[in-house]
Amino acid sequence: SQTIHQWPATLVQPVGSPLSLECTVEGTSNPNLYWYRQAAGRGLQLLFYSVGIGQISSEVPQNLSASRPQDWQFILSSKKLLLSDSGFYLCAWSFSDYGYTFGSGTRLTVV
Amino acid sequence: GNSVTQMEGPVTLSEEAFLTINCTYTATGYPSLFWYVQYPGEGLQLLLKATKADDKGSNKGFEATYRKETTSFHLEKGSVQVSDSAVYFCALSDTEKLTFGTGTRLTIIP
Repeated sequence: SQTIHQWPATLVQPVGSPLSLECTVEGTSNPNLYWYRQAAGRGLQLLFYSVGIGQISSEVPQNLSASRPQDWQFILSSKKLLLSDSGFYLCAWSFSDYGYTFGSGTRLTVV
Repeated sequence: GNSVTQMEGPVTLSEEAFLTINCTYTATGYPSLFWYVQYPGEGLQLLLKATKADDKGSNKGFEATYRKETTSFHLEKGSVQVSDSAVYFCALSDTEKLTFGTGTRLTIIP
């Protein structure tokens, strides 16, 4: 069966520090992978998606970046966090008509 | 581009009341439509989906019908329970990505 792992579950980081959030999927090949952000009191915003290794599409220009070094691995990064980067980050995968499955999320607080 | 417009919340209902959460969409082509639910402190779970016009998705007593003529996918439940308290997201999918509405917070009081 397919599973998706996302960590850490919670993270408190100071302004200006770097960020690395990791998402991995098991049990499927060549899935589409996604990073979403849910800011407090707001909906879900698509940040990045990837249809294959090394292929990243950015939906919203900002100080975040994403990479897909392996078929099953999707990483969200920042060199210097801003207060406005606080939020709930969700990784998701999809494959063909299977639908979308979300990870359990990472709550990031930038202080 | 694709977009989803969802009923603003928060919505507060008494237990056993009838629920409707409105959702309309704008898309090119023929997207699939979804309702996701987020319980407090958790990630997103798929509640139901419909992949073509006139399809009805249903799960846990919730229903939504894909209406192409009105570009709508309204979520309904005949009798809500306290355990239905959550945030509900309407979403549409084209071939590559999922676009969400802003979410509707639902609170059910006993």
